[in-house]
Amino acid sequence: EVQLLESGGGLVQPGGSLRLSCAVSGLFSAYSFNWVRQAPGKGLEWISSINGNSEYIYYADSVRGRFTISRDNAKKSLSLHMDSLRLEDTAIYYCTRELHEGFEYWGQGTLVTVSA
Amino acid sequence: QSVLTQAPSASGTPGQNVTISCSGGSSNIGSRSVFWYQHLPGKAPKLLIRDNNQRPSGVPDRFSGSKSGTSASLAISGLRSEDEADYYCAVWDNTLAGRLFGGGTKLTVL
Repeated sequence: EVQLLESGGGLVQPGGSLRLSCAVSGLFSAYSFNWVRQAPGKGLEWISSINGNSEYIYYADSVRGRFTISRDNAKKSLSLHMDSLRLEDTAIYYCTRELHEGFEYWGQGTLVTVSA
Repeated sequence: QSVLTQAPSASGTPGQNVTISCSGGSSNIGSRSVFWYQHLPGKAPKLLIRDNNQRPSGVPDRFSGSKSGTSASLAISGLRSEDEADYYCAVWDNTLAGRLFGGGTKLTVL
């Protein structure tokens, strides 16, 4: 059974940094993974994706230059390093495993709150 | 404001059929596969439809998807109370080189 477990969320001040992790059980290295977030009262927003060998990495305009996605295939782990956090980055962050462009498996999410 | 446009709300009574639409452009829906997700409050989103009209294993056949030009639709037949959720379309955009989600449609079962 495939399971994704996010961690690392919490309260951070504007301008601060945070690192999210996603531990994956099941097949990992052959798949692309993504981060998707949902701000309070808002819809889903795709943040970033990374393919199996980290050759192809993409970011949404809203986080490009501030967030960095990475993966460790040996540890079956996905990460999102977030710098220069803004109030509008407050959201639940989900990691997802992708199959042919569809997000077939999702974690339960981790809450990031950016507040002074 | 999302590049993919969805009506913010929809409703129906149990047993009714409901359709949720998603409008985009030539660089996304017009040239890529569309996906639909169901998001129940407090739960992780769930993939409902992949590749415009394919149901993943375990998704009831009450849910169906279609695409025409730069628009896509999710149809739900025989509405049930447990279908009350937020529904999102999603697609890759060739120009933005990124994934797009529609703004979401909140479905209420009256």
